[in-house]
Amino acid sequence: DAGVTQSPTHLIKTRGQQVTLRCSPKSGHDTVSWYQQALGQGPQFIFQYYEEEERQRGNFPDRFSGHQFPNYSSELNVNALLLGDSALYLCASSLGGQPTDTQYFGPGTRLTVL
Amino acid sequence: RKEVEQDPGPFNVPEGATVAFNCTYSNSASQSFFWYRQDCRKEPKLLMSVYSSGNEDGRFTAQLNRASQYISLLIRDSKLSDSATYLCVVTAYGGATNKLIFGTGTLLAVQP
Repeated sequence: DAGVTQSPTHLIKTRGQQVTLRCSPKSGHDTVSWYQQALGQGPQFIFQYYEEEERQRGNFPDRFSGHQFPNYSSELNVNALLLGDSALYLCASSLGGQPTDTQYFGPGTRLTVL
Repeated sequence: RKEVEQDPGPFNVPEGATVAFNCTYSNSASQSFFWYRQDCRKEPKLLMSVYSSGNEDGRFTAQLNRASQYISLLIRDSKLSDSATYLCVVTAYGGATNKLIFGTGTLLAVQP
């Protein structure tokens, strides 16, 4: 039973570029959430996708956008990269996305913006 | 004020010691509570859920005090393998999501 997978593992970009990160949820899960974890901080909620729609969004600018596909996989896009976007980007999946549902995290994508 | 506050540590303890982590949360309507463990440069992994009645899993005991909005984690007989960052997590109230709100984490280093 495959867990949550993310690609790529590492990525280096320069300021102003755009990046796309990918996530495949755990088998049987239909809800994907994205988090940003800066160095020395806890993960911060970016947004959650359920049934191919953004269901809730955290305090992140419109430069951060996403998509969920019919197979429940998801993409996170970040435009006009800033140095401050350097972080570990985590994808978490769950079934239904209700408050008591456990979220399982993928290994993350480490993004470095130069 | 941060929604979830933890002492960042580090906590340096010898093997076999008992160590306690504390956490407070600001939203009294928070619904679910967890402790996650995060190893260096890895993803967070669920350690245990936290219930008002208190719950135990082997050497780990978690407590929740809703009146004080306080969560704790006790680790007995610390092992070298317990060295990690421990994240206090609550779910947000409102909406139909299980959005997680994390503390900054408490770093534990168990020394031989």
